[in-house]
Amino acid sequence: GESVGLHLPTLSVQEGDNSIINCAYSNSASDYFIWYKQESGKGPQFIIDIRSNMDKRQGQRVTVLLNKTVKHLSLQIAATQPGDSAVYFCAEKGGSWGKLQFGAGTQVVVTP
Amino acid sequence: NAGVTQTPKFQVLKTGQSMTLQCAQDMNHEYMSWYRQDPGMGLRLIHYSVGAGITDQGEVPNGYNVSRSTTEDFPLRLLSAAPSQTSVYFCASSYGRAAITDTQYFGPGTRLTVL
Repeated sequence: GESVGLHLPTLSVQEGDNSIINCAYSNSASDYFIWYKQESGKGPQFIIDIRSNMDKRQGQRVTVLLNKTVKHLSLQIAATQPGDSAVYFCAEKGGSWGKLQFGAGTQVVVTP
Repeated sequence: NAGVTQTPKFQVLKTGQSMTLQCAQDMNHEYMSWYRQDPGMGLRLIHYSVGAGITDQGEVPNGYNVSRSTTEDFPLRLLSAAPSQTSVYFCASSYGRAAITDTQYFGPGTRLTVL
């Protein structure tokens, strides 16, 4: 079946370094991708999104890159901080009423 | 706005008991959905609704019922709880209009344990 998945289950990053979280998707019909951050005991929180007609989008300290050729999505976090420690999920959506399909998540651990 | 609220935060049930997980949003969102989150499996869609009076099944609907009598509320009912339903449940909502970039906002979750 079509799915969204993450390459690395756990990413350990030193404070101040940049983080890169990767995600592979297989549904070529997906036209919208979202990154969520989930802190322990909380619900997923929207970070940044990108439409399929774009290959890069920047937010505050975060950048999402989309490579449709290889169906790959990445989230870059600049100058990672302790507050960035969380599980990060990518999700894909197809169409305006399309349901979100989530990957399994990557645990980011920021070390001092 | 309170956003998406869920009650209770924690619940322990015995096998065979029934209960209702409550979800409400005050953003006038048309689209509401329920997910369950199990370790290592991400979030899986249980049921969703595109407006009052309209519901549909998601990826894992068995053992759950929903109804949408108002725009604000979308309760999830467990008819006869089973240990396999031990999970964290999240409710989410979005505007649901014809916009591809219609982002879903999540509630804080309900942690359910079925003994």
